[in-house]
Amino acid sequence: GAGVSQSPSNKVTEKGKDVELRCDPISGHTALYWYRQSLGQGLEFLIYFQGNSAPDKSGLPSDRFSAERTGGSVSTLTIQRTQQEDSAVYLCASSPPYKNTGELFFGEGSRLTVL
Amino acid sequence: SQQGEEDPQALSIQEGENATMNCSYKTSINNLQWYRQNSGRGLVHLILIRSNEREKHSGRLRVTLDTSKKSSSLLITASRAADTASYFCATAMEYGNKLVFGAGTILRVKS
Repeated sequence: GAGVSQSPSNKVTEKGKDVELRCDPISGHTALYWYRQSLGQGLEFLIYFQGNSAPDKSGLPSDRFSAERTGGSVSTLTIQRTQQEDSAVYLCASSPPYKNTGELFFGEGSRLTVL
Repeated sequence: SQQGEEDPQALSIQEGENATMNCSYKTSINNLQWYRQNSGRGLVHLILIRSNEREKHSGRLRVTLDTSKKSSSLLITASRAADTASYFCATAMEYGNKLVFGAGTILRVKS
């Protein structure tokens, strides 16, 4: 597709269940980011993938959160044993290779509600 | 922790007026970017200013950067109701490094 695609757009789950959120970046983009946005708040950095380099996981809030990026393209963010405080919109963004401006292209987000 | 802090948190103006939003940050940067977010949507890139630039224009947008004060401002001239959105600044400490976002300014333009 032309833009960053995220799925599901909405997810309601029960506390303690695991969830997987998917991000399809723009073709050819080497950088991929995950951010979390709580209601009415700014964006909290979670994890950053750049090409074949080791990901920057410094923003992951706990070991219940993990992410992988297969084949340098699609990424999955996994939250294990979800808690109510995990409720938020999870935004994915991708960026072209280094020679470009560093502008991020965002998806529409996955809204997670943990009951 | 967030690198950028926007000011004000919320701004309400009449259509046709100018809107100014400010962003302060803590560490040296490679570039600073401004993004816009309509309610319930993803973010859209507006403009990027590099650390060696002081001012940049794009249509009705004007961005300034003062690296000595570690601050930036976004000016939207002749605002329209359609400019109603949240505006975020984001800083990159190295080119290609992660972008860190501020908490945002909510702009409401009344028609």
